[in-house]
Amino acid sequence: GNSVTQMEGPVTLSEEAFLTINCTYTATGYPSLFWYVQYPGEGLQLLLKATKADDKGSNKGFEATYRKETTSFHLEKGSVQVSDSAVYFCALFQGGSNYKLTFGKGTLLTVNP
Amino acid sequence: DGGITQSPKYLFRKEGQNVTLSCEQNLNHDAMYWYRQDPGQGLRLIYYSQIVNDFQKGDIAEGYSVSREKKESFPLTVTSAQKNPTAFYLCASATGGAVYEQYFGPGTRLTVT
Repeated sequence: GNSVTQMEGPVTLSEEAFLTINCTYTATGYPSLFWYVQYPGEGLQLLLKATKADDKGSNKGFEATYRKETTSFHLEKGSVQVSDSAVYFCALFQGGSNYKLTFGKGTLLTVNP
Repeated sequence: DGGITQSPKYLFRKEGQNVTLSCEQNLNHDAMYWYRQDPGQGLRLIYYSQIVNDFQKGDIAEGYSVSREKKESFPLTVTSAQKNPTAFYLCASATGGAVYEQYFGPGTRLTVT
């Protein structure tokens, strides 16, 4: 079946540092890939998405590129802020999977001033 | 404002009691979902519903029940059969044409003692 593997956290960075959170997936065919973010005490919000190979999703300074050859969708940001502190979830969706998103376990990011 | 509401934010129950968590959306979305979130385990799908009066079991449906009598509402009952009910419960909804883009409510933290 489908699965998503994220780097384990927690990740702790200083403000303005470069961020990478690794995400790899296992799926047949061509899934769509997503990053969701969960701020403390809240539900998840869609951060960015990519629906086909080589697509780059971007939002709020975050980027991720759909790499089919390495089955990866790593999240990056050039300069993190304290307000980026949250849990980040990588997810995939595949047509015919009964409308289910498959989530990774999440990576906690803490950004210190 | 359109969105998803979950109530209450915190819920406390004694072991052996059934408890119902509320989820309401005014986004006119066809699909609704219930997830359970535990530390270090990411999100796990409990039940989902694609249309009114229809729902399917997710990956961890045992000990839970749902109903979908109205498009706007998808309540979740945690029964006494659920062995480890203490968790953070998240409700989500999505349009039929983009079910991967799920909108999440703020969650209900259930504590059973």
